[in-house]
Amino acid sequence: DAGVIQSPRHEVTEMGQEVTLRCKPISGHDYLFWYRQTMMRGLELLIYFNNNVPIDDSGMPEDRFSAKMPNASFSTLKIQPSEPRDSAVYFCASSFRGRASGWATNTGELFFGEGSRLTVL
Amino acid sequence: ILNVEQSPQSLHVQEGDSTNFTCSFPSSNFYALHWYRWETAKSPEALFVMTLNGDEKKKGRISATLNTKEGYSYLYIKGSQPEDSATYLCACPMNRDDKIIFGKGTRLHILP
Repeated sequence: DAGVIQSPRHEVTEMGQEVTLRCKPISGHDYLFWYRQTMMRGLELLIYFNNNVPIDDSGMPEDRFSAKMPNASFSTLKIQPSEPRDSAVYFCASSFRGRASGWATNTGELFFGEGSRLTVL
Repeated sequence: ILNVEQSPQSLHVQEGDSTNFTCSFPSSNFYALHWYRWETAKSPEALFVMTLNGDEKKKGRISATLNTKEGYSYLYIKGSQPEDSATYLCACPMNRDDKIIFGKGTRLHILP
């Protein structure tokens, strides 16, 4: 497998523009996570999906941020409008946890993409 | 709210010396603990997944222990080498709530 694939690797945009980050998880994984890396907060969880369904988006900083997962092989993170303080590296990660009677059957180590470095001027 | 704390934040170690650092987490509702290594300009990669109290894992010169009752895990590196320079992250997934929350990491610098 090629691993988790993110695009673009680098994005430079101007304040106010729309930014769309993309992620292809590892085939067969049932969880997908979006994280943001900043100096102040480290790896900050934004949102995660289970079987394409958003489970918890409480980490999404503002309404300007939205994420979708239309199918098992694709997810997007959108920022509209972008602001300079959104500048960071955004990571997508996927894992397999499985479920049996409501309990995870696998402890689900994360496999990360290479990240998308966003700079908003 | 799950708080995963790591210490120290940064560590400088002479090549050849051994070192260790700590991850602490709430002991209630514990499900698992992950250790990741994050090299500069790369993405985090899993080192260990630990679930049982008293668990010990080893991979080459790196090992980890887990105490779920008191809520901490230690990562040990024996005979540090330059390639060990990285940020080491720990993370806790909760079973009931599937969030995986990371600590801020320990940045390890190996001095030649």
